[in-house]
Amino acid sequence: EVQLLESGGGLVQPGGSLRLSCSASGFTFSTYAMFWVRLAPGRGLEWVSSISVTGHSTDYADSVKGRFTISRDNSKNTLYLQMNSLRADDAAAYYCAKPHCTGGDCYRPPDYWGQGTLVTVS
Amino acid sequence: QSALTQPASVSGSPGQSITISCTGTSSNVGSYYLVSWYQHHPGKAPKLMIFEGTKRPSGVSNRFSGSKFGNTASLTISGLQAEDEADYYCCSYAGSSTLVFGGGTKLTVL
Repeated sequence: EVQLLESGGGLVQPGGSLRLSCSASGFTFSTYAMFWVRLAPGRGLEWVSSISVTGHSTDYADSVKGRFTISRDNSKNTLYLQMNSLRADDAAAYYCAKPHCTGGDCYRPPDYWGQGTLVTVS
Repeated sequence: QSALTQPASVSGSPGQSITISCTGTSSNVGSYYLVSWYQHHPGKAPKLMIFEGTKRPSGVSNRFSGSKFGNTASLTISGLQAEDEADYYCCSYAGSSTLVFGGGTKLTVL
């Protein structure tokens, strides 16, 4: 069974930093690209970032580019999101998600999501 | 990276059918068959209900169906049940390694 478990959320002051983690199990994490997606109250879901299988290729929404960094450790089956210079509008539940693919650098809309970790900026 | 447009809310009585639209552009919905729909109960993981515009994952009720025409995708739920009350989001592949989501639709079962 695919499981994604996010952690690392919390309360942070504007301008502060947080590092989110997503522990993956139930599939061969090292063979899938991955996503971070966030859900802010009243704003709907928003794609935040993507990372390739090896981690060498990354992409970001304009709203977070230059402030957030996605990375992965395939030996630990873990995805990360380093968030710097946090702003009030970054407050959201952050989800990691697995693309609906058979593997490789494929970025189809997700099939599995974690339950999210909440980031509050205040 | 503009969001896909969904109605903020829809409602229906048990047994009725409802349709939720998801309008994008020729850069996303109009160019790719890779449109998915998710059901989300607050505090839980979003659940995949439709993928590739029209396909249902194993275990999803056949009361859920999807369609796409041009820049607009749609989710139809027939035979509404109380358990269908949730937020629904569409998502389209948008090229390269990017995705775009809809703003979400709150379904109320009256």
